[in-house]
This record gives sequence, structure tokens and C-alpha cells, in this order.
Amino acid sequence: GEDVEQSLFLSVREGDSSVINCTYTDSSSTYLYWYKQEPGAGLQLLTYIFSNMDMKQDQRLTVLLNKKDKHLSLRIADTQTGDSAIYFCAEKKAGAGSYQLTFGKGTKLSVIP
Amino acid sequence: GAVVSQHPSWVICKSGTSVKIECRSLDFQATTMFWYRQFPKQSLMLMATSNEGSKATYEQGVEKDKFLINHASLTLSTLTVTSAHPEDSSFYICSARWDRGLTGELFFGEGSRLTVL
Repeated sequence: GEDVEQSLFLSVREGDSSVINCTYTDSSSTYLYWYKQEPGAGLQLLTYIFSNMDMKQDQRLTVLLNKKDKHLSLRIADTQTGDSAIYFCAEKKAGAGSYQLTFGKGTKLSVIP
Repeated sequence: GAVVSQHPSWVICKSGTSVKIECRSLDFQATTMFWYRQFPKQSLMLMATSNEGSKATYEQGVEKDKFLINHASLTLSTLTVTSAHPEDSSFYICSARWDRGLTGELFFGEGSRLTVL
């Protein structure tokens, strides 16, 4: 497909794990990113993964990459109310200008206390 | 960490007027900045790539005469929405590239919400 696809909404209970999924478009994309956007704010880079990796862990965050299926996921362990935000996945397509990213529509994560 | 600041955070203007939004990298130099537009429940759409000292590169479908971009210094890029109309109302976000490490991490501003009456 042409678009980076994400589910629009996810709701989890505090303390549970959250898994946000993303399907990207270009199998030769070099970098894949997860950004967090809190209400009324800009984007904050959470983590990224290089295309030759299949997993990356950074504290409570785990990124899994399935290149064959062009599927990326972000797992947040022990989800907290402060994790409530919109999460965007983004890809840097091969051949794209430096740091031109293609974003998904974002997944709104709601954490229930 | 690197900070990118946008000003104003929000602006309301009358139809037909022009509005300027500033994007500043506060503690690093950025030869390249990007301008995005975000509609409610929509993805970020890249509008243009702003290069210090040269003309901006616009994405297909973005009117360069409508959205004027000036990147006059290594820490400042401006986006001017000329003759704004209600359909220009949106959330505009900039990002700046910091050449650090392999990924050249992008840092985003807080966004500027434009409402055109």
C-alpha cells in the first residue's frame, strides 16, 4: 500500500503492556521510527530501529520488526498514565531525501487508571 | 537534549491576512528543517524541506507561493501562510535535523495551531 497503516485507538489498563502495531510501505526502508505526541505538543522521538535489526529494547520499550511482512510494533511494558498520547510510526524510505519521513496516522493510546 | 521551539503556539487570524510561524533550533545548528501539516486524526504531511541559504523544496501539491519558507540562518526557519483562508487552518509542525550519530536524529517543535476565521 501507499500509506503507513496504524490502528487509530488503543486502550489499556495501567500496569498492563501496550502493543501498537504498524504496517509500513517500503521493504527497503532503512530506518523505522516511533514518535510520541502529547496533546498540543510536537513529536518526541521514542526509539528507532535500523532495517537490519529485528528487535530493539530500550527500558520499557521493545520494538519488533518483521521485514518480510513490513510490520513494526512497539511494546510498552508496565504502561503508565503518562504514556497516554498519540504514537506515530514513521519510515525513511530508500531513496527519500535525507530524513524525509513518511508517517502513519497515529495510534491514540489511552491508559485507564 | 536538543530543543526546537516554534512561535507562536497558536494564532487566530482573519481570512486574507498573512501569518508567519517561526521554527528555531535553540541549542544546535540545523542546516535542514522540515515543515509538516497535521489535520485532526490525520497523519503528519510533509510540506517542504527547508535548506539554509537556499530555496526550499516543496512536496507535490504544496503551493510554494502560498506557503513561503525562508531559512535565513542555521537556527531559524520561517513559514509564512499568505492570504490565509479557513481551509488553511491546521496544526503546523517543524522539525530540525541534528547531525548526530548515524541517524541524524530529527527534533520536533511543539507545533503551531493556526485558525483562520
